[in-house]
This record gives sequence, structure tokens and C-alpha cells, in this order.
Amino acid sequence: TQLLEQSPQFLSIQEGENLTVYCNSSSVFSSLQWYRQEPGEGPVLLVTVVTGGEVKKLKRLTFQFGDARKDSSLHITAAQPGDTGLYLCARTASKLTFGTGTRLQVTL
Amino acid sequence: NAGVMQNPRHLVRRRGQEARLRCSPMKGHSHVYWYRQLPEEGLKFMVYLQKENIIDESGMPKERFSAEFPKEGPSILRIQQVVRGDSAAYFCASSPTQIYEQYFGPGTRLTVT
Repeated sequence: TQLLEQSPQFLSIQEGENLTVYCNSSSVFSSLQWYRQEPGEGPVLLVTVVTGGEVKKLKRLTFQFGDARKDSSLHITAAQPGDTGLYLCARTASKLTFGTGTRLQVTL
Repeated sequence: NAGVMQNPRHLVRRRGQEARLRCSPMKGHSHVYWYRQLPEEGLKFMVYLQKENIIDESGMPKERFSAEFPKEGPSILRIQQVVRGDSAAYFCASSPTQIYEQYFGPGTRLTVT
């Protein structure tokens, strides 16, 4: 089983703070996706990264794919309560293999 | 364009009963995937189907679980003789081709009492 470890497991911050969450694997990703899942809903795709060293931005979210394609990070600038949710990375193939998740809580 | 639809959203079954979970993929999508989310285990792949065919069922428990995606109608995940350990959120996803861009439904939350 190719494990995807995410850290931290839980994160509680105040509105306006910055944060970074990580996704690590012992093996190389062909490509990787980040999802956000809100309570009571299914995961929603945020981004797909394919190339080592790739950086993608989605408003206040910055996604980075490691040069060796074994790790990825998600940085959120000036977090807002609407960013609250479970952030999941996933190894992409015909089936998705999800990471352990980071549960983010942003409070006022 | 409607998204992936799942019903029911919540399902309560007693131990030993059968649970049927339905998934209607997005229009034009012929690939369906089922995932299970347990509180302590995260989101795990169960089965991948294309119209009338099971492509990959490596994540399905060997007994009591089955899935189908008929030519007409929704995909069905069927759990026979449910046990408490089957309580979880079951998510369906669909894609237009065998690529990695999958769209998830809102899930069915199964509670076994």
C-alpha cells in the first residue's frame, strides 16, 4: 500500500493567519490532486499537479509539487472561516488513493 | 448540468438487513467509482465500474458487498446483512473517461443500528 501522510492532522487558526499543510509519500506520484471536503458533502477538486516543481495558485491557495514528485504542500494566505474543512491529497490513477487528511478550522 | 446524485442521503438499517445505495453519474459520464469514508480510516476506494462492467473491485470486501452499473439506470452499491462496522459515508464519483478527473456526489450516510 502506498501511504500518503498528511500533516498536521488537525489545525485550528484564527481568521487572517497563514498556514501550510503537507502531503508526503515514500514513492513518486505520477500526478497529485488536492481536494477540500466540507462536513456532510463529498470532496471537491481544487487542483491537479503533474510536473515536479510545479506551483499553482487558486486565489489565496498556493499548491506546490516537490521536485522529486514525492511531496506536495498547500499554503493558504489570510485564512477565512470559509476555508474550514478537510483537505485531502490524492494520488491519481484510475482509482484515487487519498491521504490521511488535514482538518482545518478557521475561527473569527 | 446536474452533478453526481446519490440517494438516499441518509440510510438507517438494522443489523442483518440489506442496504442499497444509488448513484447517478453526471451526464455524459460512463465511469463510476465508489469510495467509503470511515471515521478512523479516511476515504478509501472500493470499486470502479464502467457501463455493465466491473473494472476494478480491489477495494471491495470479499463478502456481502456488490456493485453494478447497468446499461440503463443508476449504479447500485449493495450491502447484504449489514453489520455495525458498515456504518460509514459512501461516496460515488464519476468521470467521462478513464482519467483522473473525478467528480464526487454528496454521499450516503449509512447507519447500522
